[in-house]
Amino acid sequence: AQRVTQPEKLLSVFKGAPVELKCNYSYSGSPELFWYVQYSRQRLQLLLRHISRESIKGFTADLNKGETSFHLKKPFAQEEDSAMYYCALTYGGSQGNLIFGKGTKLSVKP
Amino acid sequence: IAGITQAPTSQILAAGRRMTLRCTQDMRHNAMYWYRQDLGLGLRLIHYSNTAGTTGKGEVPDGYSVSRANTDDFPLTLASAVPSQTSVYFCASSAEQNTGELFFGEGSRLTVL
Repeated sequence: AQRVTQPEKLLSVFKGAPVELKCNYSYSGSPELFWYVQYSRQRLQLLLRHISRESIKGFTADLNKGETSFHLKKPFAQEEDSAMYYCALTYGGSQGNLIFGKGTKLSVKP
Repeated sequence: IAGITQAPTSQILAAGRRMTLRCTQDMRHNAMYWYRQDLGLGLRLIHYSNTAGTTGKGEVPDGYSVSRANTDDFPLTLASAVPSQTSVYFCASSAEQNTGELFFGEGSRLTVL
């Protein structure tokens, strides 16, 4: 079955440090990968998607099909980046449904 | 701009009672979804609807039912609530299926005692 794995439940870094939130997926075809973010007391929202290859709020993510990974990176973490981050996958047979990972809580300390 | 509106925001419910969580969107999106969010388990899809008049089962549909009488509304019903259904429920919509871009509501926190 298709699966999204986020190995870290909690990631704690200091402000200004680089951050990498890991995401691995299991799917043999060509998936579409996404990162969603949920800030405290806010709605879950789309952060970025791999097909757009964009940088949002300083975050980037590259799809590595060889390693089946889609890690989220930011060179210098900010306190306002503290949030819950979910990696998600959709594919042709999923009828458009997103499969979410279990999430990683990022805490950026001052 | 409302987007997705869920009600109630929070509810405490006795086991065995019937409960309907309401979800309304004003974006004229075709696809709508219900997820539950549990600590350590992330977001799991309960039911979905790709267009008005159609529904489908997600990963954890047991104990839940949905209807999609029109484009805007997608209520989720727990016919006889059980404590394991204590969770935060999120409704979401997307303009079309397969886009992966979902717009979420603020969530409904349900506690079943």
